[in-house]
Amino acid sequence: EPEVTQTPSHQVTQMGQEVILRCVPISNHLYFYWYRQILGQKVEFLVSFYNNEISEKSEIFDDQFSVERPDGSNFTLKIRSTKLEDSAMYFCASSIRGGNQPQHFGDGTRLSIL
Amino acid sequence: AQSVTQLGSHVSVSEGALVLLRCNYSSSVPPYLFWYVQYPNQGLQLLLKYTTGATLVKGINGFEAEFKKSETSFHLTKPSAHMSDAAEYFCAVSDQGYNFNKFYFGSGTKLNVKP
Repeated sequence: EPEVTQTPSHQVTQMGQEVILRCVPISNHLYFYWYRQILGQKVEFLVSFYNNEISEKSEIFDDQFSVERPDGSNFTLKIRSTKLEDSAMYFCASSIRGGNQPQHFGDGTRLSIL
Repeated sequence: AQSVTQLGSHVSVSEGALVLLRCNYSSSVPPYLFWYVQYPNQGLQLLLKYTTGATLVKGINGFEAEFKKSETSFHLTKPSAHMSDAAEYFCAVSDQGYNFNKFYFGSGTKLNVKP
């Protein structure tokens, strides 16, 4: 069964550094998402992406965050200048379309900011 | 914005016993409803979903859930727990009528299955 893959599985970065989290969504999916889960807290929506542009973003997704689909397969989340509070598990998801379709999630990238 | 409540952050059952994991949502307009399971060091795997139609939906691994509009609930059940069911379970909802269906998640329920 097709899967969403995320790399790396664990990223350790110094505060203030830029980090790029990578995702390969399922190949025929058109809608892409990033979520994060701070330890002990709920999974929170960050951003949705369709047709090469952001369709919705949460208040968490400030100017330090950006997303890109640089080619036909990858979907990336960049954090420009990381803060300690960015430490979390980041999940990428994709769906074949919007509406009532389930989202398929990757295994996540654990981001640790030192 | 939607709010999703999962009562009980930890639930413990004996192997063979009934599993009941609770989920309530806040909106007056019924959303789309999903249950996901997360095993250690893995992503979220879809168990089942409700969008329209029959209110009792069956999913993978013997799980089912019933949408009750009057109770704004979507509780997950399994008649007989198996050791392999030990995992964390998340209820998620998304608003009807939107193409870009961001999910709102509950805080999760960790299921422990005792031998």
